Amino acid sequence: EVQLVESGGGLVQPGGSLRLSCAASGFTFSSYTMNWVRQAPGKGLEWVSYISSSSSTIYYADSVKGRFTISRDNAKNSLYLQMNSLRAEDTAVYYCARGTVGRDAFDIWGQGTMVTVSS
Amino acid sequence: SYELTQPPSVSVSPGQTASITCSGEKLGDKNACWYQQKPGQSPVLVIYQDSKRPSGIPERFSGSNSGNTATLTISGTQAMDEADYYCQAWDSSTVVFGGGTKLTVL
Repeated sequence: EVQLVESGGGLVQPGGSLRLSCAASGFTFSSYTMNWVRQAPGKGLEWVSYISSSSSTIYYADSVKGRFTISRDNAKNSLYLQMNSLRAEDTAVYYCARGTVGRDAFDIWGQGTMVTVSS
Repeated sequence: SYELTQPPSVSVSPGQTASITCSGEKLGDKNACWYQQKPGQSPVLVIYQDSKRPSGIPERFSGSNSGNTATLTISGTQAMDEADYYCQAWDSSTVVFGGGTKLTVL
């Protein structure tokens, strides 16, 4: 079964750091681009970051640029998001999502992990 | 920055056709896709590359994209289709989502 499972969410104080992980299974992880997408409580979807299959190309949303770092380990079938200098507005469910072959869309999503930034 | 605009809500009677629009500058020149999200669940891709359906998505879901508007059409809408729908497109090196449309089937 094709599956993505996120972990690492939790409660963190403003200015703190957190590292999210996404474990992939059921497909050749190294062949696909990956993304992080977040959703604040009661709000819509917001794209966070993209990484190509070989990690050669990385993009970030302006709202997280300079604070978040996306990475992947193809040998471990894992995607990561290092989040530093966290703010209250970063509070959201964070999803990892697989890019389609054409990169345009996200065809597989994880169940999400909640990140709460609060003192 | 690039923006995609969706109506906040659309209502449809069971068995009728629902249309949800997504507007953006020259959106027709990009590949648009659509996601369905039910409460407490992760999004599900229902249309990609303007009009293609992933396997497992019912034929009643269709899409089009021309000019400045992409449209998701649900024919013979069922109660199970009640959900939030989001359009999405790439603009250069950025992914943009529409604000979402709540589809109510009543």
